[in-house]
Amino acid sequence: QVQLQESGPGLVKPSQTLSLTCTVSGGSISSGDYYWSWIRQSPGRGLEWIGYIHNTGSTYHNPSLKSRVTMSPDTSQNQFSLKLTSVTAADTAVYFCARAQHDFYFDFWGQGTLVTVSS
Amino acid sequence: DIVLTQSPDSLAVSLGERATISCKSGQSVLDGSNNKNYLAWYQQKPGQPPKLLIYWASSRESGVPDRFSGSGSGTDFSLTIRSLQAEDVAVYYCQQYYSTPPTFGGGTKVEIK
Repeated sequence: QVQLQESGPGLVKPSQTLSLTCTVSGGSISSGDYYWSWIRQSPGRGLEWIGYIHNTGSTYHNPSLKSRVTMSPDTSQNQFSLKLTSVTAADTAVYFCARAQHDFYFDFWGQGTLVTVSS
Repeated sequence: DIVLTQSPDSLAVSLGERATISCKSGQSVLDGSNNKNYLAWYQQKPGQPPKLLIYWASSRESGVPDRFSGSGSGTDFSLTIRSLQAEDVAVYYCQQYYSTPPTFGGGTKVEIK
């Protein structure tokens, strides 16, 4: 059974960078045709897909986030990370990491972590 | 981006009765080359992540009770809970994966009447 767990600061100041890590157990991020994704949820924006990283190293992010998103793998730790730059209050949300099947439905999710952007 | 519109926003159903949720897509999510509808349904309980219930519009995820069923094609889809149980109280979301970025509906809250 694949399990995912998000970690990172729960409070980020405006204009700074949000950094989160997702630790995966029960499966390797280096194998299989899966898209390791970040999704966020807020009352105002609902569920919003942020982006993915694939075991081939390819990444893709939601164009709505412009160029603020960076995702990278750490295969030695079986983790992948998210960095979101220049955050504002609109980036306040619960952030989930999730595994997507090749066809992009999400079959395993982390519990989520609340990130608040505030000074 | 493909917009998914769910209705109703909330639904109160008696225990043992049927609950039906609608999800309408702004464009077809049916791939004519394989005849598959790229639509999934999730259940989210308070304080928990969404849980995959249905994919390919009507395929039930392993372990999901058979009282949950999905139907529809093209732009109009439904999730039906055949006989509502107390543990089914949750918010339900549809999601399309026909095109990138994948997008979600706004959710339907199901409660007990």
